[in-house]
Amino acid sequence: KQEVTQIPAALSVPEGENLVLNCSFTDSAIYNLQWFRQDPGKGLTSLLLIQSSQREQTSGRLNASLDKSSGRSTLYIAASQPGDSATYLCAVRSAGANNLFFGTGTRLTVIP
Amino acid sequence: SQTIHQWPATLVQPVGSPLSLECTVEGTSNPNLYWYRQAAGRGLQLLFYSVGIGQISSEVPQNLSASRPQDRQFILSSKKLLLSDSGFYLCAWSDVTENQPQHFGDGTRLSIL
Repeated sequence: KQEVTQIPAALSVPEGENLVLNCSFTDSAIYNLQWFRQDPGKGLTSLLLIQSSQREQTSGRLNASLDKSSGRSTLYIAASQPGDSATYLCAVRSAGANNLFFGTGTRLTVIP
Repeated sequence: SQTIHQWPATLVQPVGSPLSLECTVEGTSNPNLYWYRQAAGRGLQLLFYSVGIGQISSEVPQNLSASRPQDRQFILSSKKLLLSDSGFYLCAWSDVTENQPQHFGDGTRLSIL
């Protein structure tokens, strides 16, 4: 069964810093990997989707990479802002599955 | 554009009472639909998914059931709630085409007393 791990569980950085969030998964047979943002008490907002054949995706200040063979993905946030404060979730869709397997998230705090 | 609606946003129910949470999607046809639960300190866990009307797959044995009476309507139910049913319930949809992202609703916070 696919297991997804996110480290660290929490991260605090000063405003303006670049940062990297990490995600690892145990089964490299995946269709895609998706990064989400969750604000407290709210639903999930999709940030980026990387197909298994892709190495990275970019959206504005966000860049997500995928190394399927090693079971790793990173989310890079450039020039962090206080509005980036949220929990970031990584989710993997395994080959042959309809659902996503989620990590427990990294809670990011950007300090003004 | 596509939108997904969940209601209610919050719900407080006594143990043993019934439950009905509703999710509807607009702006797309024949979506895949999902119910997830997020318990405190744990990752999201898939409860049910549906690829069409009346087609429900359950991922974990539990006290809940799901139904899809219409193409874009997904309902999560229980006849008798347990304390362990407390959590944050999220509905999601994805396009039937392979490898499309899942999009989530705003969730329902369910507290069982």
